[in-house]
Amino acid sequence: GAGVSQSPRYKVAKRGQDVALRCDPISGHVSLFWYQQALGQGPEFLTYFQNEAQLDKSGLPSDRFFAERPEGSVSTLKIQRTQQEDSAVYLCASSFTGATNEKLFFGSGTQLSVL
Amino acid sequence: QKEVEQNSGPLSVPEGAIASLNCTYSDRGSQSFFWYRQYSGKSPELIMSIYSNGDKEDGRFTAQLNKASQYVSLLIRDSQPSDSATYLCAVNRHSNYQLIWGAGTKLIIKP
Repeated sequence: GAGVSQSPRYKVAKRGQDVALRCDPISGHVSLFWYQQALGQGPEFLTYFQNEAQLDKSGLPSDRFFAERPEGSVSTLKIQRTQQEDSAVYLCASSFTGATNEKLFFGSGTQLSVL
Repeated sequence: QKEVEQNSGPLSVPEGAIASLNCTYSDRGSQSFFWYRQYSGKSPELIMSIYSNGDKEDGRFTAQLNKASQYVSLLIRDSQPSDSATYLCAVNRHSNYQLIWGAGTKLIIKP
């Protein structure tokens, strides 16, 4: 596609609900990142995929967070039993190879509000 | 101490003047340095990248890197109201794909 696409754009969940956030990266991009951005803060790394392999999930805050990219393209970030502290914007980014000096292309993000 | 520090601002600059944004980082092994611009409610977009000491110019933007002082800056010449945004500094650790981000500096260009 023309850019990184994320859906939904906004999600309101009741505390305890499970949510699934979708990211469709730029076609052909090998690397995919998930970031969490709290209001007034910079993005915080959550997890990294190279094709379908999840190479790093060290940033996931708890075992309630789970990400997958089964066919090496679309990725889903799932949050189980949502808590108020999960409220944030979740950003997906992709890059062609994932090299350390490579430009990241970001999606518009999913703003999650947990009530 | 945060790994990447920025003054949160807001930094107010008159239209046409030079805006100077600063960032310090703690990891001496950092290799790659980036400035991203983020408009309110939008996602970050890359403005400049710099990898070696000195200045790098691209149009109205100049990135400056001083690894000895662990300092990277962004200068915006002839500031325009459309430059009003939050500017995020991001740093790659040595041989690591993870970007470590500052909290951003809010820049306001006054017409």
